Amino acid sequence: DGGITQSPKYLFRKEGQNVTLSCEQNLNHDAMYWYRQDPGQGLRLIYYSQIVNDFQKGDIAEGYSVSREKKESFPLTVTSAQKNPTAFYLCASSILTGWGNEQFFGPGTRLTVL
Amino acid sequence: AQSVTQLDSQVPVFEEAPVELRCNYSSSVSVYLFWYVQYPNQGLQLLLKYLSGSTLVKGINGFEAEFNKSQTSFHLRKPSVHISDTAEYFCAVKGAQKLVFGQGTRLTINP
Repeated sequence: DGGITQSPKYLFRKEGQNVTLSCEQNLNHDAMYWYRQDPGQGLRLIYYSQIVNDFQKGDIAEGYSVSREKKESFPLTVTSAQKNPTAFYLCASSILTGWGNEQFFGPGTRLTVL
Repeated sequence: AQSVTQLDSQVPVFEEAPVELRCNYSSSVSVYLFWYVQYPNQGLQLLLKYLSGSTLVKGINGFEAEFNKSQTSFHLRKPSVHISDTAEYFCAVKGAQKLVFGQGTRLTINP
C-alpha cells in the first residue's frame, strides 16, 4: 500500500535535547511538508521541499531544521532552540507544489518535552 | 496572501441531525479550496475539494460543500450525521505553493 509513515508515534524529550522525527513516503511525490499542530490553532507550516536537496522555510521555521537527501524521505529535527516544542507534528506530501494538488498526510508524531 | 476563518470552534449536534460547518476565505487570486477531517490522534484525510466547475462539491462519507464566490465561503454540510463523524474538520485554501488552514471545527455527535 502506498502512503506516508511517520515514526515514532510518541516521542518524549528532555529540555535542551535535539530530536529527529522521521517521515517516509512511497507515493513517488515530489513535494513534502512539515506542519505543527497546536490545539485551536490549526496547522502551521514549518518547512517544505519541492525537490531533493532543496527546501524552503514555512511560517514557523525557527528552531527547526530539515534535510532532503532522498525523494522519499524528509526528516525534521527539533532543536534545543525551539522554545515550545511540545506539539503534534504532521508530515505531508503531494505530486507538486502547484495549484490544486492535494496533500496527503501521515499519521503524525506527538512530541512532549519533559 | 490567503487566509481562512472557520467560524465555529465547536459544533455539537444530535445523531441523524443535519450539520453545517462554516468556512470563509480570503484570497487575491483564484482559489482552490479543501476540507479535511482528522480523527483523534491521526493525520488528516481529504473529504472534498473545489478546483473549478460546479460550485456544489460532493465528497466522501456523505459530505458536500458549496463554493460561494460572492460571499467568499465554502461551507461543509451533511444532511444526517452519525456518531462516527465525531472528529475535527479543517478548511484550507491553496495558493501556488502553500496550503493555508483554518483553526479547525470540532464536531461532536450526541446520541
